Amino acid sequence: GENVEQHPSTLSVQEGDSAVIKCTYSDSASNYFPWYKQELGKGPQLIIDIRSNVGEKKDQRIAVTLNKTAKHFSLHITETQPEDSAVYFCAATTNTGFQKLVFGTGTRLLVSP
Amino acid sequence: DSGVTQTPKHLITATGQRVTLRCSPRSGDLSVYWYQQSLDQGLQFLIQYYNGEERAKGNILERFSAQQFPDLHSELNLSSLELGDSALYFCASGRGDYGYTFGSGTRLTVV
Repeated sequence: GENVEQHPSTLSVQEGDSAVIKCTYSDSASNYFPWYKQELGKGPQLIIDIRSNVGEKKDQRIAVTLNKTAKHFSLHITETQPEDSAVYFCAATTNTGFQKLVFGTGTRLLVSP
Repeated sequence: DSGVTQTPKHLITATGQRVTLRCSPRSGDLSVYWYQQSLDQGLQFLIQYYNGEERAKGNILERFSAQQFPDLHSELNLSSLELGDSALYFCASGRGDYGYTFGSGTRLTVV
């Protein structure tokens, strides 16, 4: 089955810096890659996703890149703000609808003012 | 509000007891997924239901069971509880376009 690895486990940056979180997946059939943000005491919230037919997607300060050949994808946050502090999870799944997401182990991002 | 409702938000119970966690999916979503998140751990997939039928099973203990009812709400039953079952239990729902919507979770504490 699918296995998703995520690095780093912890990331500390200064406000205004960029943050990059990387994930690799094992199943070449996976073609949907969402990213979730989990704030303390809350459920994970979808912040951006990418499908295998595109290599990059942006939404304001957040971007995700996908390299299908290397089977890795990354989350980029620019101009970080303290409210970006949270745990971020990557995930992967296959193109057969309603398939379960396999999550990475999470990255705790701390943005210091 | 994500549209996925989980009750109760908090639950404290003793070892050996049985509890039921409830999830109401987002309107229109046919699929329900249950995940367990232990302290500082990732999201471990437990089980998935689609339109009332079990669709996939993950690392769910035999002491745990779930079902999805005709109105699409789902219940996760945890029995013979142990201290190690203390965790956040999340329900998510989806409608086939791959993205999940998570509820706010039930925090279970076993004492």
